[in-house]
Amino acid sequence: NAGVTQTPKFQVLKTGQSMTLQCAQDMNHEYMSWYRQDPGMGLRLIHYSVGAGITDQGEVPNGYNVSRSTTEDFPLRLLSAAPSQTSVYFCASSYVAGEPEAFFGQGTRLTVV
Amino acid sequence: AQSVTQPDIHITVSEGASLELRCNYSYGATPYLFWYVQSPGQGLQLLLKYFSGDTLVQGIKGFEAEFKRSQSSFNLRKPSVHWSDAAEYFCAVGAPGGADGLTFGKGTHLIIQP
Repeated sequence: NAGVTQTPKFQVLKTGQSMTLQCAQDMNHEYMSWYRQDPGMGLRLIHYSVGAGITDQGEVPNGYNVSRSTTEDFPLRLLSAAPSQTSVYFCASSYVAGEPEAFFGQGTRLTVV
Repeated sequence: AQSVTQPDIHITVSEGASLELRCNYSYGATPYLFWYVQSPGQGLQLLLKYFSGDTLVQGIKGFEAEFKRSQSSFNLRKPSVHWSDAAEYFCAVGAPGGADGLTFGKGTHLIIQP
């Protein structure tokens, strides 16, 4: 059972660089989302998707793009990295209906210098 | 808008003692409520969840939580803590498949004294 898989686990970027954080789930969940975790802030929603081809913004979307071309994958793109984007990023997935328990990946620790 | 308050940033408990972590929420409808645990450098593991029914829910690792609608609370309890329970604990509210996703509290850092 792979669940939710995030890559890479660690990444260091220079200011202005771009990169994509990968997220894949094998549970056929409709809903996928990205959170960032900062000390003393809990987790905050960046973007989410309720199905292939549908994405929307969460609480802190600025500086990030997402797309959902398949049910399984939900990559998060940093267009021009800034030090304020230094954080731990978590991808999560769940069913939309029924008992929507969220399953989380192991996280990506990103440092922007 | 939904919100979660965890009033205690840090809690220190002696090994073998009982534990209660507080969580208060604000949500417009019947809430879905969750407690997650995060060990250092790890992802989030679901401890327990409440959707409906019995207001006292049992979770993994000997944890339980009680939903009290009148107090808008969902406190986490454990009768006897172990050193391995040292971690960060997050309360969350919302429908994971809904437009607002899950709203998390800022977390409570649990320290276990020998």
